[in-house]
Amino acid sequence: KQEVTQIPAALSVPEGENLVLNCSFTDSAIYNLQWFRQDPGKGLTSLLLIQSSQREQTSGRLNASLDKSSGRSTLYIAASQPGDSATYLCAVPEGGSQGNLIFGKGTKLSVKP
Amino acid sequence: DAGVIQSPRHEVTEMGQEVTLRCKPISGHNSLFWYRQTMMRGLELLIYFNNNVPIDDSGMPEDRFSAKMPNASFSTLKIQPSEPRDSAVYFCASSPWGTVSTDTQYFGPGTRLTVL
Repeated sequence: KQEVTQIPAALSVPEGENLVLNCSFTDSAIYNLQWFRQDPGKGLTSLLLIQSSQREQTSGRLNASLDKSSGRSTLYIAASQPGDSATYLCAVPEGGSQGNLIFGKGTKLSVKP
Repeated sequence: DAGVIQSPRHEVTEMGQEVTLRCKPISGHNSLFWYRQTMMRGLELLIYFNNNVPIDDSGMPEDRFSAKMPNASFSTLKIQPSEPRDSAVYFCASSPWGTVSTDTQYFGPGTRLTVL
């Protein structure tokens, strides 16, 4: 059964710092991996989707990488800002392309001004 | 588009009462998902519909939970009778086709349920 783990559970950094969030999954036979952002009291917003054939995806200051063989993904945030403060979750489909998304519990990021 | 709409945003009820959560997906989306989020278990899929038909309800915890989608623009999640352990944030999400390989899911703001 696929399991998704995110470490650390919480992270606090000063504004302007570059940072990396980690996601690991137990079954490397994934179709893709998604990173989501969740603001307090709000739903999830999709940030990046990396297909299994890709190594990375970029959107603005965000860069997500995927290493299927090692069961890992990282989300790199450059020049962090207080507005980046949120919980970041990664998710993979269970059992192939039609599978339900299995989510990690997230990393709560706080960027201090 | 207004996005996925959920109501109520907050619900406080007493154990044993019936609770009904409502969701309006994004117009034109073919798939609808119900999730539950708790600190202990994180975000878990309860059930999902494609073209108003339930496809996978294996995440529904027990018979006290039921979900319906009578038409493409409305779905309900009902808990009867409710128990304190049902306290959580319940999210509804929709996607254009429901193919997780290419589609992303658009989440509503959630309903925070507290069962006393």
